[in-house]
Amino acid sequence: EVQLVQSGAEVKKPGESLKISCKGSGYSFTTYWIGWVRQMPGKGLEWMGIIYPGDSDTRYSPSFQGQVTISADKSISTAYLQWSSLKASDTAMYYCARRVDCGSTSCLDYWGQGTQVTVSS
Amino acid sequence: DIQMTQSPSSLSASVGDGVTITCRASQSISSYLNWYQHKPGKAPKLLISTASSLLSGVPSRFSGSRSGTDFTLTISSLQPEDFATYYCQQSLTTPYTFGQGTKLEIK
Repeated sequence: EVQLVQSGAEVKKPGESLKISCKGSGYSFTTYWIGWVRQMPGKGLEWMGIIYPGDSDTRYSPSFQGQVTISADKSISTAYLQWSSLKASDTAMYYCARRVDCGSTSCLDYWGQGTQVTVSS
Repeated sequence: DIQMTQSPSSLSASVGDGVTITCRASQSISSYLNWYQHKPGKAPKLLISTASSLLSGVPSRFSGSRSGTDFTLTISSLQPEDFATYYCQQSLTTPYTFGQGTKLEIK
């Protein structure tokens, strides 16, 4: 069974660093892209970026480039999303999801349960 | 970036009603369009890929179509479990942008 299990909720202060994780199981982790999606309170889904764990090829949305770092450790089938200096505006639910081929296109078929990040002084 | 514009942003309907949600792309994306359902406290769920291909296990009351850069998600007879927020997403090129969502509420 394919599963993406994310790390638990985090409460941090502005300026702190954070790394959240997404562990894949039940499939070949290195051969599927993993994407990250943000949902701010009361808002919609925003596509942040995507990584191919096989070679760590990473693509960022321009909105998030330089604001976060996406990485992966294929030896432990885990993808990461990290911040070096959190802001209050980073408060959101963050989802990871697996990208697969869907016919002639791609789609996000399995999702993690989400990690709530709260940044408050 | 390709912009995806959904309408309406919210919609009230009753069980048994049929509803249609529209998504317009800012440029041609061929049929590279997916639809997701998102319920509070749950992960989003993929419903339709390539504009009109229903994922396995998704009820047949859901359907999708394309006309140029306009895409529609239709639910033919609403069931209680269908009340959720729906998002379109283009998958032609990164960033794979989402529409702003349509919240479907019970009337």
